[in-house]
Amino acid sequence: KAGVTQTPRYLIKTRGQQVTLSCSPISGHRSVSWYQQTPGQGLQFLFEYFSETQRNKGNFPGRFSGRQFSNSRSEMNVSTLELGDSALYLCASSARDRGNYGYTFGSGTRLTVV
Amino acid sequence: GDSVTQMEGPVTLSEEAFLTINCTYTATGYPSLFWYVQYPGEGLQLLLKATKADDKGSNKGFEATYRKETTSFHLEKGSVQVSDSAVYFCALSLTSGTYKYIFGTGTRLKVLA
Repeated sequence: KAGVTQTPRYLIKTRGQQVTLSCSPISGHRSVSWYQQTPGQGLQFLFEYFSETQRNKGNFPGRFSGRQFSNSRSEMNVSTLELGDSALYLCASSARDRGNYGYTFGSGTRLTVV
Repeated sequence: GDSVTQMEGPVTLSEEAFLTINCTYTATGYPSLFWYVQYPGEGLQLLLKATKADDKGSNKGFEATYRKETTSFHLEKGSVQVSDSAVYFCALSLTSGTYKYIFGTGTRLKVLA
């Protein structure tokens, strides 16, 4: 059974650019969440999607957005990149509603903004 | 507010030593509790979970018991190996009222041969 797949694994962007990250959840998983991980702030919740609907959003500026498609694949977009957006972005999927049974995480996309 | 507090790391142990990583939580409802492990360069892996008071989660020699009276979910392992070196995250999930999934700050474990 394939795990959660995130692409690309590594990305280098310039300040002011925009970026789109992709996440393919485990087949059959309908709940997808995104987290930002940095050494200083730890794991911070970005969004949660279930059946194409964003149900929760963390405390991030509007430059961070996301969506989920009918096949449960999800994308997140960051516009007007800032140096502080450099982080490991993790996607997680769950078989059950709202991750009560735990999440399966992807390996992440490491974004470096220069 | 709802939160998870983990002991500060890093924790450095010799191989075969006993491991305890403390985790306490504050929650307004009845959370499910989780431990995740993150190896270098990888995402988080679910290590074990417990969904109600007095439940014991266990996996790969690791154990944690959901203690409602002390609001704790401490991670233990009787004999650690070098391959256990990683960062361990305690987390809670609340589904009553506003949904929340909250992670602790992580505890780095280093096991020396």
